[in-house]
Amino acid sequence: GEDVEQSLFLSVREGDSSVINCTYTDSSSTYLYWYKQEPGAGLQLLTYIFSNMDMKQDQRLTVLLNKKDKHLSLRIADTQTGDSAIYFCAANSGYALNFGKGTSLLVTP
Amino acid sequence: DAGVIQSPRHEVTEMGQEVTLRCKPISGHDYLFWYRQTMMRGLELLIYFNNNVPIDDSGMPEDRFSAKMPNASFSTLKIQPSEPRDSAVYFCASRRAGGGYNEQFFGPGTRLTVL
Repeated sequence: GEDVEQSLFLSVREGDSSVINCTYTDSSSTYLYWYKQEPGAGLQLLTYIFSNMDMKQDQRLTVLLNKKDKHLSLRIADTQTGDSAIYFCAANSGYALNFGKGTSLLVTP
Repeated sequence: DAGVIQSPRHEVTEMGQEVTLRCKPISGHDYLFWYRQTMMRGLELLIYFNNNVPIDDSGMPEDRFSAKMPNASFSTLKIQPSEPRDSAVYFCASRRAGGGYNEQFFGPGTRLTVL
């Protein structure tokens, strides 16, 4: 299937901003997503962006999309310890989703 | 709404045994997806259904794996015979048909351990 790549680990201090990056290969993807997985739980949709947008802001979350480079990023402002989780980037391929392997975000006090 | 329901939450079995994982999608959702999550391979799509019909099973690892959706409210993923390398967390997800950002709602997963 199509590839979605993201870095595996990120550690930040509480109160700092976190930036998680992702690249994808399917140029036909119309929606890009960020999902969050907390320990022992399923994935929950955090936010998404339509492919004809280059930025979307939702409270502490900012998504940037560079469609030309097929690069997606998620910025979390004022990161809190409760933000510690695995964050998955995903790109749609028709009705299916291709997921990256996830970025483990560790927020330290 | 109760969300996507999966059972069992944990399954421990011995190599060679048959394993059946169950999923109840959210009522009214037309699409159902089965995923497998491992440390090595991340989250892999195994198969998905639309209106109870399998659409793409290219992610099913081998013939030991089979999935069915006999009606709109129930699906099973069966592994027979199971092997230690099948140990993983298996997720079921569902979504509505139609355009838009097509959010998939995930169940809590079944953690399978094959000894």
